[in-house]
Order: sequence, then C-alpha cells, then structure tokens
Amino acid sequence: LAKTTQPVSMDSYEGQEVNITCSHNNIATNDYITWYQQFPSQGPRFIIQGYKTKVTNEVASLFIPADRKSSTLSLPRVSLSDTAVYYCLVGDSLYNNNDMRFGAGTRLTVKP
Amino acid sequence: NAGVTQTPKFQVLKTGQSMTLQCAQDMNHNSMYWYRQDPGMGLRLIYYSASEGTTDKGEVPNGYNVSRLNKREFSLRLESAAPSQTSVYFCACRDRTDTQYFGPGTRLTVL
Repeated sequence: LAKTTQPVSMDSYEGQEVNITCSHNNIATNDYITWYQQFPSQGPRFIIQGYKTKVTNEVASLFIPADRKSSTLSLPRVSLSDTAVYYCLVGDSLYNNNDMRFGAGTRLTVKP
Repeated sequence: NAGVTQTPKFQVLKTGQSMTLQCAQDMNHNSMYWYRQDPGMGLRLIYYSASEGTTDKGEVPNGYNVSRLNKREFSLRLESAAPSQTSVYFCACRDRTDTQYFGPGTRLTVL
C-alpha cells in the first residue's frame, strides 16, 4: 500500500502559479496517481489523474517524473476560490487494490 | 443522475445509542467506501467494499459495522455510539480509473 507525504500547508496570492508536491516512494508499477480538492463542509472532488509524464486538463496539470516516486500538482493563476485542501492518492483498480487511504492533505490558502 | 447520496445530513445521538448511515450510488460502480473526517483532519478509511457481498476493514474500523446490501447501497452502522465517533462521515464510490465520487457527508454529534 503506497503511502503519500505532502506539505501540511501552503500560502499563495491571487494570480500566482501554485505547485504542490506529493511523495510516494513505494508506488507500485500499476498504481495511478489521483489528486482531489476539498472545500469546507463538502466531500472531496476529483481534479486530475495520471500515470507518468505530464497530464493537463482545464483546471490543473500533473507532472510525474520517470521514477514516479513523486508527483506535482500545478494550479495556474490561482484565485481566492482555489483555497481548499488538496489530497494525492495512489491506487490501482486493475489489480483490485481497493484499500484507498487519504493522507492529511495540503491546505492551500490563496490571499488577495 | 444523483451520483452518491447520503442520509441523514445531520444527526445527534446520545452515548450508547445506535444508528445506521445510509449511502446509495447510481453510477453502477463496484467499489464503495466509508470515511470519517474529524475537524481539521484528513479523511480516514473505515470500511470498504470491492463488490456486492464483500467488505473489508480500513484504518479505523473499531466501533462500526457495514453492509453492502446490493451494488447500489452501502450502509454504516454504529451499534453503541461514543463521543469519539463525533465526526463527518463521507461515502464514496470508485470507478475503474481509480476516480472516487463522494457524497455530501453526514455530520454526526455524539453527546
């Protein structure tokens, strides 16, 4: 079971790019890396997922180095509404690894 | 489609009382999960179910039981509630790309 480590908190200002790195040294060959965002009083919601290299969607980019022992979530030009807790998870449904555990997450605060 | 629904949204119990938290999904996914989240903390996995008829313990299963009634429904039962179980409870289902979809949560207070 891959364990993840993230910074506890980060501060940023509106309009800046934010990069949050997650370490997952014991990631297995078939594990995918998934990032979630959670606002207060809500359940987490999916942001982005990747296996290797770079993935980009309309809200974020995910950078994964060749060794896959870490990943970086990049949020371009953050706004106040991006203030939330961000979690990374690793897991593999192909091999039926259903034990999905969240870490403590990274609390991002965006300031005006 | 409603996605993942949870009932009730709020509940107050006295120590020793029992209750069942209900969760249902209309996304036709096999895997379902129950998490708890204490104030200012991350989510902790209580139980999960890989498919109908199977359940497994997560990180913090003590004091809870679960039932995977069918593919859609996964309930969490507190047989004898304790103040330490005061928390927000989230249910989720997961698709084959490892993406989880969460319900709105149940806020439980045990006095």
